[in-house]
Amino acid sequence: AQSVTQLGSHVSVSEGALVLLRCNYSSSVPPYLFWYVQYPNQGLQLLLKYTSAATLVKGINGFEAEFKKSETSFHLTKPSAHMSDAAEYFCAVSEVNTGFQKLVFGTGTRLLVSP
Amino acid sequence: GAVVSQHPSRVICKSGTSVKIECRSLDFQATTMFWYRQFPKQSLMLMATSNEGSKATYEQGVEKDKFLINHASLTLSTLTVTSAHPEDSSFYICSALPLGVNTGELFFGEGSRLTVL
Repeated sequence: AQSVTQLGSHVSVSEGALVLLRCNYSSSVPPYLFWYVQYPNQGLQLLLKYTSAATLVKGINGFEAEFKKSETSFHLTKPSAHMSDAAEYFCAVSEVNTGFQKLVFGTGTRLLVSP
Repeated sequence: GAVVSQHPSRVICKSGTSVKIECRSLDFQATTMFWYRQFPKQSLMLMATSNEGSKATYEQGVEKDKFLINHASLTLSTLTVTSAHPEDSSFYICSALPLGVNTGELFFGEGSRLTVL
């Protein structure tokens, strides 16, 4: 079965600093990978997705992630943090051979941005 | 496009009553919708997969008689929490898979916070 591990339940950065949120996956077949962001008391919004095309994926709000098969990783980065980036971020994996329907989420990483 | 709306966003009910939460895809059709439960500061746990015109598929450990799911049309799925108890208090989120899309991308509702007194 597929799984996702997000290292660090909390990540704190200063405004303007690099954001790095880590995600490692486990899947027996080529995965589809996603990063979602959740603001308080809201649903999830897709930041970006990897679906076997380019390994470097650019998303909304200046975020990007790189799929590294050799490291089974899909870390999320942003060059310069904004205060508005403070939120909960979830990495998720969807196995291709299950019809892409089920998403398995990581435990989430809360990004804190200080002035 | 691809907007999913949940209603109500917040609901408070007394123990023993039933509560219905609606999940609507506003600008697309969805044969498949998913219901998740999220406890404070935790990840989303898939409860069930809702398929239009057929019975929902429940994840292991989820009581199907407790959490009734109906997906009567291509744009609406409902989750009814029957005989709710305080331990059912949680944030419930739905997502929808657009008809004909095979990229695995789901669109999520805003969530519904249930508080059972």
